[in-house]
Amino acid sequence: EVQLMESGGDLAQPGGSLRLSCAASGFTFSGYTMNWVRQAPGKGLEWVSYIGVGGNTIYYAASVKGRFTISRDDAQNSLYLQMSGLRDEDTAVYYCARGALAGPYFDSWGQGALVTVSS
Amino acid sequence: DIQMTQSPSTLSASVGDRVTITCRASQFVSYWLAWYQQKPGKAPKLLIYMASSLESGVPSRFSGSGSATDFTLTISTLQPDDFATYYCQQYHSYPYTFGQGTKLEIK
Repeated sequence: EVQLMESGGDLAQPGGSLRLSCAASGFTFSGYTMNWVRQAPGKGLEWVSYIGVGGNTIYYAASVKGRFTISRDDAQNSLYLQMSGLRDEDTAVYYCARGALAGPYFDSWGQGALVTVSS
Repeated sequence: DIQMTQSPSTLSASVGDRVTITCRASQFVSYWLAWYQQKPGKAPKLLIYMASSLESGVPSRFSGSGSATDFTLTISTLQPDDFATYYCQQYHSYPYTFGQGTKLEIK
């Protein structure tokens, strides 16, 4: 069974940093692209970042580019999102989502990690 | 960026109804469109990919159609478990973008 489990969500101050992790199991992690998608309270879904197989291709949403860094450790079956320069508007539930083999839509999602940015 | 616009934003329906949600892209996305279902406090769940392909394990009462810029999600016979929020998403080009969501409520 495919499982994705986020951790690291917390309360952070504006301008602060947090690192989210996503532990993957039940599939060959190294063979899949991975993404972060977020959802602000009561709002819709927003794609945040993509990392390709091997980590050589990376994309970011304009809203986080230059502040967030996505990475992966295939030996540890883990995906990461390093967030710095946090802003109030980064408050959201952050989901890790697996890219499907048949196309870059998201076929499996974690349960989400809540990041709250507030002073 | 490609803007995705869903309609309606809220839909009230009864068990047994046939419902249709539409999604319009601001630019050509071919067939690169997915639909997701999300229930309160839960992660989204993939329903449809490539505009009309049903994800494994998803009931056949869900169907998708469309291409280019105009797409629809249809639920043929609403079940109690279907009351949720539905999102379309284009994956034609980055940044991947979602519609604002359609909340399907019990009438």
